[in-house]
Amino acid sequence: ETGVTQTPRHLVMGMTNKKSLKCEQHLGHNAMYWYKQSAKKPLELMFVYNFKEQTENNSVPSRFSPECPNSSHLFLHLHTLQPEDSALYLCASSQVVYRDSRESSGYTFGSGTRLTVV
Amino acid sequence: AQTVTQSQPEMSVQEAETVTLSCTYDTSENNYYLFWYKQPPSRQMILVIRQEAYKQQNATENRFSVNFQKAAKSFSLKISDSQLGDTAMYFCAFMTTGGFKTIFGAGTRLFVKA
Repeated sequence: ETGVTQTPRHLVMGMTNKKSLKCEQHLGHNAMYWYKQSAKKPLELMFVYNFKEQTENNSVPSRFSPECPNSSHLFLHLHTLQPEDSALYLCASSQVVYRDSRESSGYTFGSGTRLTVV
Repeated sequence: AQTVTQSQPEMSVQEAETVTLSCTYDTSENNYYLFWYKQPPSRQMILVIRQEAYKQQNATENRFSVNFQKAAKSFSLKISDSQLGDTAMYFCAFMTTGGFKTIFGAGTRLFVKA
C-alpha cells in the first residue's frame, strides 16, 4: 500500500465514450497532480491542485476535465478522446508546507491507469 | 524554461557492482529541488533521493547517493552494490521553490544482471 490509489488499473474506451479516472490519497497531503506518461516521452504535467484549488492547467485539451472535490480525491473525466491519448496516467500527491510556499518533500505516486483509446 | 536531460537511454550493470546515472539540468533559478525517482516494471514511481540546491552536502539514502554539482548543473545518481530489484526506469526531476511543476527527464532504463 503506497498511500495513493488509482482506479481502474486498466481502461479501454472508444472515442465516443465517457469515463473517469479516480485517485485517492490517504497521506494527508494537500497537493495532487495528474501526469501523462507516453512511450519514449518525458512525463507531462497535466493538472495541479493545491488545497483543492486548481493552480495549473498545462495546456491540456478540454476533452480532459479534472475534478478535486476534497484534498484526498482527484478525478480525471475523459470524453471524446483520440487514439493518441492512449498512455499511462499517473496521479501523485505531495505535502506543501505553506499554502503559498513551494516547499515539498517530493511526490508520492499511484500505480497509474493504463488507458487505451480505440 | 527549465529542462532536464538524461543522456543515457539504457544502462546495464552486474549485480553487486556500482553504476552511475547522469543527469543535467538547465535553470536560472538559485533555489530548487532535485529528485531521482525509480519506476520498476510494476509502474509504481518511487522517490529514491532528494536534494535541496542550497545544501552543498550530497544526499545519501543507503546504497543510493548523488553527486550534485550546482555550478555545472549536474545531478548524477550512484547506486552501490546493485541488486536485481534495482532494475527499473530512473527519472531525474527538477522542481523550483517558486512553483509546483516538477520537470522530469526522459529516463534511463537500468538493467541489473545476475
